[in-house]
Amino acid sequence: GQQLNQSPQSMFIQEGEDVSMNCTSSSIFNTWLWYKQEPGEGPVLLIALYKAGELTSNGRLTAQFGITRKDSFLNISASIPSDVGIYFCAGRPGQGGSEKLVFGKGTKLTVNP
Amino acid sequence: NAGVTQTPKFQVLKTGQSMTLQCAQDMNHNSMYWYRQDPGMGLRLIYYSASEGTTDKGEVPNGYNVSRLNKREFSLRLESAAPSQTSVYFCASRSTGGASGYTFGSGTRLTVV
Repeated sequence: GQQLNQSPQSMFIQEGEDVSMNCTSSSIFNTWLWYKQEPGEGPVLLIALYKAGELTSNGRLTAQFGITRKDSFLNISASIPSDVGIYFCAGRPGQGGSEKLVFGKGTKLTVNP
Repeated sequence: NAGVTQTPKFQVLKTGQSMTLQCAQDMNHNSMYWYRQDPGMGLRLIYYSASEGTTDKGEVPNGYNVSRLNKREFSLRLESAAPSQTSVYFCASRSTGGASGYTFGSGTRLTVV
């Protein structure tokens, strides 16, 4: 089945630093989504991307839909302690009109005050 | 509050016992999903229901059954629990036809001893 390669697996940063994580796939995706999961909770949608090349911001978060439709990145600027959590990328494959999302394995972010 | 509600939040089972995880959404979404989350594995799809009256297998369906009771409710049943089914289970829903992402419940943490 289709897979998303998400990197890095984990990050340990100091408060105030910028963060960058990405997802890549060997096949084309129609939609890219970025979720954040906090301890004991379900993932919450942060940003949704629907067109190749699209760049979208949500506060300190910025995400882009790669021009090849096979990758996406998420940047967090000026990190704060509440950014801690697991960030998941997810995509809707372009072939076959599948409505099921494919998820990356997540990037665990730790922010040291 | 509108959203996806899962019950119970925590459960401990003995090997061989059965139980049903409940999920309900009040957003009038057509599609509903069951995922399991294990460390380092991300979110893996167990079963999904694209609409009321239909269910389909996901990536890891063995050992599980589902019932789409009505448009609101989608339950997951473990007939004979095994230690390998120790995991956190998430239910999600989505409105078909749009390009929206999933809305997740807060999860059920299941331990099988």
